[in-house]
Amino acid sequence: AQKITQTQPGMFVQEKEAVTLDCTYDTSDQSYGLFWYKQPSSGEMIFLIYQGSYDEQNATEGRYSLNFQKARKSANLVISASQLGDSAMYFCAMREGISGAGSYQLTFGKGTKLSVIP
Amino acid sequence: DTGVSQNPRHKITKRGQNVTFRCDPISEHNRLYWYRQTLGQGPEFLTYFQNEAQLEKSRLLSDRFSAERPKGSFSTLEIQRTEQGDSAMYLCASSLQTGFHTEAFFGQGTRLTVV
Repeated sequence: AQKITQTQPGMFVQEKEAVTLDCTYDTSDQSYGLFWYKQPSSGEMIFLIYQGSYDEQNATEGRYSLNFQKARKSANLVISASQLGDSAMYFCAMREGISGAGSYQLTFGKGTKLSVIP
Repeated sequence: DTGVSQNPRHKITKRGQNVTFRCDPISEHNRLYWYRQTLGQGPEFLTYFQNEAQLEKSRLLSDRFSAERPKGSFSTLEIQRTEQGDSAMYLCASSLQTGFHTEAFFGQGTRLTVV
C-alpha cells in the first residue's frame, strides 16, 4: 500500500486565487511528521511547511497552510493568492517515528504539478 | 549559507561504465541522505549517514550502488556497471540531528542519463 497518496497529477489555478493540493497518508505510528516540498523545473526540492502528528493547530507559513485532518489521515496543502512563481511540482512527504528515536528517511508521494494561469 | 551542493549537475554515460556523484551538505549538518527520483515519481530513499557512519543502506537498489562519507563531510554515491534503468535524478539532502520534525535541505540533484 502507498504510504503517501497524491491523487491529483495536475492542477490549474488562476493567478491570485487559492488552491488546495490533496495528500493522504498511511501509518500505524503515533508519532510522525508531514512535510510539503516544492520542486521547480530546476530540480531542487524546497521545503514549504511541516505538521507534526501531535500538533493541535494547523501549520501555516506565509501563503502556505496545511489542512491537517488526523482522523482522515489527510494533510492537504493550501496555497493562498497564487503567483506565477508557484508553478511547480508539489510533493507531500512523511517521516515516521521508530521506537521514539525518530526516523530518518522521508517517504514521498508522486506529486502534483501545479500550473498558475495569468 | 551555501546550501547543499551536488556535482555534476548532469552526467551522460555509456552502459557498463562506472559513475560517481558528489554531495557537499550544509556545513553544520551531520545527517546526509541520498534519494533517487525517476520521471513522474517522488524521490525514493536510498541511504543515510549520520556523520561518517552509514546507518541505513538496505534501500540501495543493488550491490552496484555504494555510498561513502569520509570524515563526515562530503559524500559520494557510486554506481558501477551502469544500466539504462539507472537513468534518473539523484538527490542529496542534509539536516541537523534535532528530531524527526527537522526538515531536510536538498541539493539541485545530478541527472544521470545512461545510453
